[in-house]
Amino acid sequence: DIQMTQSPSSLSASTGDRVTITCRASQGISNYLAWYQQKPGKVPKVLIYAASTLQSGVPSRFSGSGSGTDFTLTISSLQPEDVATYYCQQYNSAPLAFGGGTKVEIK
Amino acid sequence: EVQLVESGGGLVQPGRSLRLSCAASGFTFDDYAIHWVRQTPGKGLEWVSGISWNSGRIDYADSVKGRFSISRDNAKNSLYLQMNNLRPEDTAFYYCVRASGMATTFTWFDPWGQGTLVTVSS
Repeated sequence: DIQMTQSPSSLSASTGDRVTITCRASQGISNYLAWYQQKPGKVPKVLIYAASTLQSGVPSRFSGSGSGTDFTLTISSLQPEDVATYYCQQYNSAPLAFGGGTKVEIK
Repeated sequence: EVQLVESGGGLVQPGRSLRLSCAASGFTFDDYAIHWVRQTPGKGLEWVSGISWNSGRIDYADSVKGRFSISRDNAKNSLYLQMNNLRPEDTAFYYCVRASGMATTFTWFDPWGQGTLVTVSS
């Protein structure tokens, strides 16, 4: 089974900061990697799929990169509305798996 | 508008059974795989099970294999999760989630239902 490891588990940054979250798969998953955002009290929504493709309607300050085992989600300029927990997910093979999540707060 | 509405959650004693349902609307149901994902309040996401468009491929997490059974009725635009021999660690919100395509793999999750809470306690 493929394990997904996210880091950090939480971070606090100032408005306008560049924020980077990493996700590592225990074995290669090509680019079958999605990032989800879950705001407090809300259900998750997809931000990025295929490791780097931005879902329609998602602000361009979000970007994703990586392939194989190492992936990155970047928020180029953190905004107050970005306060949320972010999860990576591999959909290369069953059992599908999520990372443990990264809680992003504003300093 | 794509909608996924879960029902069937509630309080159940350990060892008992519960059946969740998910009613889908706003899209052609049998064009998509569908999954169940759960989340313990305040904790992370755990994929539970997925079923392909024609039920030809079904997958389960190790934590529920042999106890849970996923099924779908394309004529009724509905997804089900039969949960047997429930344990306290099964307590969670259960989300019905549409895949981006027909298969259970190589497809991401979008959108998610609002979830139904299952509480396993004596």
